[in-house]
Formats: sequence, structure tokens, C-alpha cells
Amino acid sequence: NAGVTQTPKFQVLKTGQSMTLQCAQDMNHEYMSWYRQDPGMGLRLIHYSVGAGITDQGEVPNGYNVSRSTTEDFPLRLLSAAPSQTSVYFCASSYWARNTGELFFGEGSRLTVL
Amino acid sequence: AQSVSQHNHHVILSEAASLELGCNYSYGGTVNLFWYVQYPGQHLQLLLKYFSGDPLVKGIKGFEAEFIKSKFSFNLRKPSVQWSDTAEYFCAVNYGGSQGNLIFGKGTKLSVKP
Repeated sequence: NAGVTQTPKFQVLKTGQSMTLQCAQDMNHEYMSWYRQDPGMGLRLIHYSVGAGITDQGEVPNGYNVSRSTTEDFPLRLLSAAPSQTSVYFCASSYWARNTGELFFGEGSRLTVL
Repeated sequence: AQSVSQHNHHVILSEAASLELGCNYSYGGTVNLFWYVQYPGQHLQLLLKYFSGDPLVKGIKGFEAEFIKSKFSFNLRKPSVQWSDTAEYFCAVNYGGSQGNLIFGKGTKLSVKP
């Protein structure tokens, strides 16, 4: 019963480096999303997807790319990391067609950009 | 813009004290309302949710919340807190009923002194 799986759990990058945060879910959820969590800011939506091949921007999309080639996977790419992207990243998923907004979260990925 | 406000940034209580955390949302249409909890070092977990019906909702671990439509509020309560309730609590709103992304408040950190 894996649920939402994120990798890696921890990552340290230098400014300008690129990386991909992986997210996979095994609940056949149509909706997947990425949030970042910063102290005093709550969770802010970066990108989301309502199905394979469909992605859209959230509140803070700049500096991040996503793709959704399968229902299960929703990777988040940082093309050129900046210190402002130091944060904890959460992937979350839910049913969309009967979406009531209840999200299932992964355990988070803590990213530090030096 | 749609938003969610949590009134308290940090609440400190002694064990057995009563708890009430405030949450207000900005939109007057159809909403689904949630409280999530994040224990130290863990991911967000659903505490309780309101979709329709009885405005007094009971969740896990003795928590409850009351939806007051006229006040756009969804306050979280617990009659007697325990040390294990130490966590960060997030109110979240899904605007538009079955569609739309989840918008989170900035969170309230609860510290319970033994």
C-alpha cells in the first residue's frame, strides 16, 4: 500500500544545477500536484495535472517544469536551481472526476540550494 | 482572489486545555473544507473534512470543526489537548465544489506543554 512516493527525501544542490524530484502514486488518481512548503507561508501550489498529457500552472510556477506522461508519475524539474528554491516539496494526488479536494500527500523532499 | 486565513501563527497550551483554531475563507460559493495536520518531520494527513450536511464535523483523535457559512469560517476545536497533538495544523479550501485546486492557509503551529 505505497500511496504517494517521492524521491529523493533530501537533496543539496549548487546554484545553477538542475534536478528532478520524482513522484509516483499507485491509487489511479487522475489529479496530481506539487506544493512547496516554506516557514510562515503554508503550502503553495507549483504545478498540477488533471490527467496524462495535461498540466497547468499553480500559484508559484516560475523556475519549475512538469510533465505527465503516465497516470502514475508526475516529476518536478528544476532547470537552474536558485537559493530561493530551498524548500520542502510535497507531491499530492486525488481523484479528479469525483474530486472533493481531499489530497493524499507524499512524505516530502527537502531541497537545499547553496 | 480566493484565500484562506488562519488567525494564529503559534498557539501554546498546557495539556488538558481546550483548543480552538480559527479559519476563514474568502469566497461565498460552494466550498469543500479541510483540516490537515502535520506532525514534526512528517507529511500532511487529513484530520477532518466538510462537504455538505451537518455543519459540525467530527474527525480523528477527538478533533471537530464547525462550518458557519454566514461567517465563512471553519474553526477547529478539541476539548482537551494532549502533548501528542503538538503539530502544525492547516486549514484548506476547495473552491467550486468538485473542481478546483486546494488552497491552504499558512498554518498554525500548536505546542502542547506536558
